[in-house]
Amino acid sequence: DTAVSQTPKYLVTQMGNDKSIKCEQNLGHDTMYWYKQDSKKFLKIMFSYNNKELIINETVPNRFSPKSPDKAHLNLHINSLELGDSAVYFCASSDTWSSTDTQYFGPGTRLTVL
Amino acid sequence: DQQVKQNSPSLSVQEGRISILNCDYTNSMFDYFLWYKKYPAEGPTFLISISSIKDKNEDGRFTVFLNKSAKHLSLHIVPSQPGDSAVYFCAATQDYKLSFGAGTTVTVRA
Repeated sequence: DTAVSQTPKYLVTQMGNDKSIKCEQNLGHDTMYWYKQDSKKFLKIMFSYNNKELIINETVPNRFSPKSPDKAHLNLHINSLELGDSAVYFCASSDTWSSTDTQYFGPGTRLTVL
Repeated sequence: DQQVKQNSPSLSVQEGRISILNCDYTNSMFDYFLWYKKYPAEGPTFLISISSIKDKNEDGRFTVFLNKSAKHLSLHIVPSQPGDSAVYFCAATQDYKLSFGAGTTVTVRA
């Protein structure tokens, strides 16, 4: 039973399209995150939600809009996709919003923009 | 501006020997340090952590050392096993944000 799941695993789309990536965690955690792993392999925080409220927004273009319908879900919608959005996107969750809480990651969604 | 750096992109080690992974950081405000392990097509999984007030933490075959004056972190794996072949990410937290290094790919040879 997967703790943090993401769909889809792969996403190939054209520039200018709008797409969504879904994330669900069944760990009962309060906090969820989106990370982007770029071509240089760095994982960078994009957003963090705690109890459905946005607490971290790391200067991400406003084409990216996270939505948390409930504590178990954090979806990422991307408008007007650009070539530079091609990356692997990881969702994660932690028990609480604490520096010392372990973050559990999903398997990633590889987005390719053509 | 990367605040966490792993300068060795890869490491090859013989099974049974010690693997030493290094990590340097520039932000003296980091208060917690972690290592994550990642297999292909999977997300990173937590391995071991250390608070900034300590200099060593051990968990089975894994030991993390922190040298705050040098802003340097290392992970020792002993003995190395084939299942340890993976990408290892060093990470650090400040204000609840996790900053990652670029990773070191470890290959354990039989």
